[in-house]
Amino acid sequence: AQSVTQLGSHVSVSEGALVLLRCNYSSSVPPYLFWYVQYPNQGLQLLLKYTTGATLVKGINGFEAEFKKSETSFHLTKPSAHMSDAAEYFCAVSDWNAGGTSYGKLTFGQGTILTVHP
Amino acid sequence: DTEVTQTPKHLVMGMTNKKSLKCEQHMGHRAMYWYKQKAKKPPELMFVYSYEKLSINESVPSRFSPECPNSSLLNLHLHALQPEDSALYLCASSQSSGGANEQFFGPGTRLTVL
Repeated sequence: AQSVTQLGSHVSVSEGALVLLRCNYSSSVPPYLFWYVQYPNQGLQLLLKYTTGATLVKGINGFEAEFKKSETSFHLTKPSAHMSDAAEYFCAVSDWNAGGTSYGKLTFGQGTILTVHP
Repeated sequence: DTEVTQTPKHLVMGMTNKKSLKCEQHMGHRAMYWYKQKAKKPPELMFVYSYEKLSINESVPSRFSPECPNSSLLNLHLHALQPEDSALYLCASSQSSGGANEQFFGPGTRLTVL
């Protein structure tokens, strides 16, 4: 089974500073990777995803992530934090069944709460 | 319409009650999901429906009973719940259940079991 580890349950940055949220995955097959954001008392919204192709993936709201197979990482970055970025961020990987088919089960990391200070 | 709607937003029920959660999407998606999210935890998959058939049940207790009446609707019937079942219940949908597909999430139903 696949797994995801998010390093740092809380990250705090100043407005305008670089945002870096770390995600490492474990997968025996090429992974499908996702970053979701959750604002308080809301559902999850997709920021970006990696399936195949270009390893630098651009998402919404100025976020991007780079898939690094050698490091089994998929870190999320944003050059300049905004107050509205304060939320919880989840990295997720799609699971694969024993038959080698990727199916709809998402396994999420434990989440990283991003705080942005003025 | 790129929205998944869920009703009700909040639900309080006793352990002997029967209630249902409803989820609806009009994006033509053929896969729908129920997740449970406890406070300060990530979502955990409960059920997956693919083309209106239950394809995954993550060993969920039988007091949770899913139903997919048509391709746009997903229900979760609740009966004899326990206080530890209190959580945010999230519905999601995707074009198909293939792992590369983005899942669109609804806002959730906040359930409290007394």
